[in-house]
Amino acid sequence: EVQLVESGGGLVKPGGSLRLSCAASGFTFSSYSMNWVRQAPGKGLEWVSSISSSSSYIYYADSVKGRFTISRDNAKNSLYLQMNSLRAEDTAVYYCARSESGSDYWGQGTLVTVSS
Amino acid sequence: AIRMTQSPSSFSASTGDRVTITCRASQGISSYLAWYQQKPGKAPKLLIYAASTLQSGVPSRFSGSGSGTDFTLTISCLQSEDFATYYCQQYYSYPITFGQGTRLEIK
Repeated sequence: EVQLVESGGGLVKPGGSLRLSCAASGFTFSSYSMNWVRQAPGKGLEWVSSISSSSSYIYYADSVKGRFTISRDNAKNSLYLQMNSLRAEDTAVYYCARSESGSDYWGQGTLVTVSS
Repeated sequence: AIRMTQSPSSFSASTGDRVTITCRASQGISSYLAWYQQKPGKAPKLLIYAASTLQSGVPSRFSGSGSGTDFTLTISCLQSEDFATYYCQQYYSYPITFGQGTRLEIK
């Protein structure tokens, strides 16, 4: 069974940093691209970043470019999102998702709250 | 960036109704379109990919059609568990973009 479990969310002050993790199981993690998608409270879905299976290709939304860094460790079946210079508008539930035909499997999400 | 526009943004329907949600892309995306269902407090669930291919395990009352710029999601006979928010997503090019969502409520 495919499972994606996010962790690392929490309350952080504006300008602060946070690192999200996503632990994958039930599939060959190293064979798939992965995505981060976020959802602000009461709002729609927003794609944040994607990384190819071997980390050769990385993409970011303009809203996070230069502040967020996506990475992965295929030996640990893990996906990461390093978030720096956080702003109030980054407050959201962050989902990791497997990139296959869109996003075929999603984690349960982790809440990031940016507030003083 | 490719803009995805869904309509309607919300509407009410009754169990047993046939409903259609539309999604328009600001430029051609071939068939690189997915539909998701999201219920409150839950992660999105993939329903349809490649515009018309039903994801494994999704009931056959869901169907998708279209290519290029115009797409539809149809639910042939609404069930109580179908009341949720639906999103389209293009994965033709980066940045990946979603429609704003269509909230389907019980009449």
